Amino acid sequence: AQTVTQSQPEMSVQEAETVTLSCTYDTSENNYYLFWYKQPPSRQMILVIRQEAYKQQNATENRFSVNFQKAAKSFSLKISDSQLGDTAMYFCAFMKHYITGTASKLTFGTGTRLQVTL
Amino acid sequence: DVKVTQSSRYLVKRTGEKVFLECVQDMDHENMFWYRQDPGLGLRLIYFSYDVKMKEKGDIPEGYSVSREKKERFSLILESASTNQTSMYLCASSFASGSTDTQYFGPGTRLTVL
Repeated sequence: AQTVTQSQPEMSVQEAETVTLSCTYDTSENNYYLFWYKQPPSRQMILVIRQEAYKQQNATENRFSVNFQKAAKSFSLKISDSQLGDTAMYFCAFMKHYITGTASKLTFGTGTRLQVTL
Repeated sequence: DVKVTQSSRYLVKRTGEKVFLECVQDMDHENMFWYRQDPGLGLRLIYFSYDVKMKEKGDIPEGYSVSREKKERFSLILESASTNQTSMYLCASSFASGSTDTQYFGPGTRLTVL
């Protein structure tokens, strides 16, 4: 079974600064996907960024980027130029490579609550 | 835009009641999921469905059942609600296409069982 660990329950960053959220995972799979989801207060969970394990290049989406270290089983999220709207709970998640005849399931970490301050 | 809706944002029920949580998606997704979210535990998968009338247990199915009679609708059923089922329930859906198998979430239902 896969496990996902987020060791930082809460973090705080000042507006315009950079912050890195940590995530490690444990799996015996070679092909898989990793995700960061964002859940703003009282709002819907949305996808921030995804990474395919077979890709060496780190994924980037505007101010959000990841540092994917496959050998170390580490998948951290970097948020640059933090904005007040980045205040949210952030979840790291793991998905095994797609298998026909069933659905691909996500395994989530326990989340990191990020507060962006003025 | 993908839209996943849930029938209620907040729900209060009494112990022993039968509870239905409804989820509807409008993107013709094959896969649908039910999670519960608890502080310090993250999201845990209760049940999922990969086709109409097809369902599989997730990690914590005890005390729950599901129904998927139509592709767009996935219901979570608490046969006899208990206080330890007080939680936030999230529904999600996805295509069954592997490389684009991103899950899209509904707004959640906060259920309180008294």
